Amino acid sequence: KAGVTQTPRYLIKTRGQQVTLSCSPISGHRSVSWYQQTPGQGLQFLFEYFSETQRNKGNFPGRFSGRQFSNSRSEMNVSTLELGDSALYLCASSLQGDKSTDTQYFGPGTRLTVL
Amino acid sequence: SQKIEQNSEALNIQEGKTATLTCNYTNYSPAYLQWYRQDPGRGPVFLLLIRENEKEKRKERLKVTFDTTLKQSLFHITASQPADSATYLCALAGNQAGTALIFGKGTTLSVSS
Repeated sequence: KAGVTQTPRYLIKTRGQQVTLSCSPISGHRSVSWYQQTPGQGLQFLFEYFSETQRNKGNFPGRFSGRQFSNSRSEMNVSTLELGDSALYLCASSLQGDKSTDTQYFGPGTRLTVL
Repeated sequence: SQKIEQNSEALNIQEGKTATLTCNYTNYSPAYLQWYRQDPGRGPVFLLLIRENEKEKRKERLKVTFDTTLKQSLFHITASQPADSATYLCALAGNQAGTALIFGKGTTLSVSS
């Protein structure tokens, strides 16, 4: 079965712009989590969606937002981009989002560069 | 605040040796711990999960230990191969539904032939 897909794979934006990233989970998976990965901070949790509801949120400013659609596909949006938002954005899907039993499958990520 | 440390940014070993990676945590009582492998340009891939009431877990050449008293997990790769070269990440989580995974920054393992 197809893995987690993320589009676009690469993106270059300028400061102040906004960006929308997309994630299609594995078929049948209802939980989608988003992470930001940078060399300095590592992998940091942004938020998790389950059945179209945000179930958990990390410690990021309100410029970072997301949503999930009825087919479990998810988007995340970053408004008023800053240089520090340059990162690899990863999404991961799992069946129910239970981290003790469900394996999380990560997509390849979207590499965002803010100039 | 919660903190996870993978005490080596890089580890270089020779093929055939056992690689041992360490994950230490503070200010947290995780219900379970996961280990992932990440190759350059790719997302992490799940390897193993160990629960707080388990001391050791094995999968083929991989072994994970979890010591909640020391607040430490050790990840071993026996008979290491050049193909094992990658970054390995540990991640912790609690028991609540929707709990977030907290990741360490990873250890980059290089296995030379």
